[in-house]
Amino acid sequence: QVTLRESGPALVKPTQTLTLTCTFSGFSLSTSGMCVTWIRQPPGKALEWLALIDWDDDKYYRTSLKTRLTISKDTSKNQVVLTMTNMDPVDTATYYCARSWRGNSGDLDYWGQGTLVTVSS
Amino acid sequence: QSVLTQPPSVSGAPGQRVIISCTGSSSNIGAGYDVHWYQQLPGAAPKLLIYDNNNRPSGVPDRFSASKSGTSASLAITGLQAEDEADYYCQSYDNTLRGSLFGGGTKVTVL
Repeated sequence: QVTLRESGPALVKPTQTLTLTCTFSGFSLSTSGMCVTWIRQPPGKALEWLALIDWDDDKYYRTSLKTRLTISKDTSKNQVVLTMTNMDPVDTATYYCARSWRGNSGDLDYWGQGTLVTVSS
Repeated sequence: QSVLTQPPSVSGAPGQRVIISCTGSSSNIGAGYDVHWYQQLPGAAPKLLIYDNNNRPSGVPDRFSASKSGTSASLAITGLQAEDEADYYCQSYDNTLRGSLFGGGTKVTVL
């Protein structure tokens, strides 16, 4: 079955770089149409789409965060990594990774449980 | 600006019908991109509820239905139940942003 799990630090200091890893199973990111997306949700607020990487290694970023985000994949390890530079307290959120098997505009049919990242000195 | 607008909250008594709207623009819903809906129960990750405008994944009750017209979409819950109390989000692709958008979310309260 398809599973995704996010991992990374629970606490980062302002100005530091956050590195999150999404480890998945049950599908291959080399399959045509397959994508992994990162989404975040500040406490009590709405979902925010952050970045997507597809089977062809094409990458897409939230416009407002484009200069701070990098998404990459390691197909052999079934992992997708998101880095976010210059972290700020407003970046405190639960970060989710999710799968789409029908391209960039497809639905997100499987989600990880999320990982809470707090930005504080 | 590319946004998907949802009402912050809707409420209804058990058994009633509630509708959640999702209003976009010509660069997303109006451009023909599919709308997807997610249910987020308290403390849980979002779950896919409706895909491609009006399709339910296996296991989603038929009390949930959705439609799309022009630059808007809507999600209907009929026969509202206490377990439907959750946040609901719409999602669509935007060709200006070259990425997805989520709506602001709607909290459904069962009175």
